[in-house]
Amino acid sequence: AQTVTQSQPEMSVQEAETVTLSCTYDTSENNYYLFWYKQPPSRQMILVIRQEAYKQQNATENRFSVNFQKAAKSFSLKISDSQLGDTAMYFCAFLKPGTYKYIFGTGTRLKVLA
Amino acid sequence: GAGVSQSPRYKVAKRGQDVALRCDPISGHVSLFWYQQALGQGPEFLTYFQNEAQLDKSGLPSDRFFAERPEGSVSTLKIQRTQQEDSAVYLCASSFSSQGFSYNSPLHFGNGTRLTVT
Repeated sequence: AQTVTQSQPEMSVQEAETVTLSCTYDTSENNYYLFWYKQPPSRQMILVIRQEAYKQQNATENRFSVNFQKAAKSFSLKISDSQLGDTAMYFCAFLKPGTYKYIFGTGTRLKVLA
Repeated sequence: GAGVSQSPRYKVAKRGQDVALRCDPISGHVSLFWYQQALGQGPEFLTYFQNEAQLDKSGLPSDRFFAERPEGSVSTLKIQRTQQEDSAVYLCASSFSSQGFSYNSPLHFGNGTRLTVT
């Protein structure tokens, strides 16, 4: 069975600085999808970025980028130029192709300080 | 609507009461999911609908949990004889994909219903 581990329950960063959130996962699959979701106090899960495992190039979405290390089964999220609106819970998630059940980690609470 | 709408936003129930949680997916979305998010945890899969058909209910924790989507749009998650361990946020998500999920048709989540059982 697949598992997703987020070892940082809480993190904080100064506004305009860069922060990296860690995620590791365990799977025997060769191809899969990985996601980072943001959950602000409104509770709505918002897709931040996604990565297909067979793509070696790291995904980037504006200020958000990932460091995908397939051999190490690591999928960290880097947020550059942090903004107050980035304050939220961040969840890493795994999805096996052909299925629809996301496996979520326990989340990292990120606080951006003014 | 513009997004996935869930109601009520908050629900407090006394132990033993029945509750019904509603989800209005994005119009035209074929797939609909319910997830349960306990405090301090990530969401966990409960059930999946493709149109009105419930294709997977393997995540429902007990037979007290029941979900339906009779006309392939609005869905209701019902919990009978609520217990304290049912306290959680219940998230609904929908997707345009008719195959449950496609990489280019990600899930759109609602704001969830926070259920507190006292």
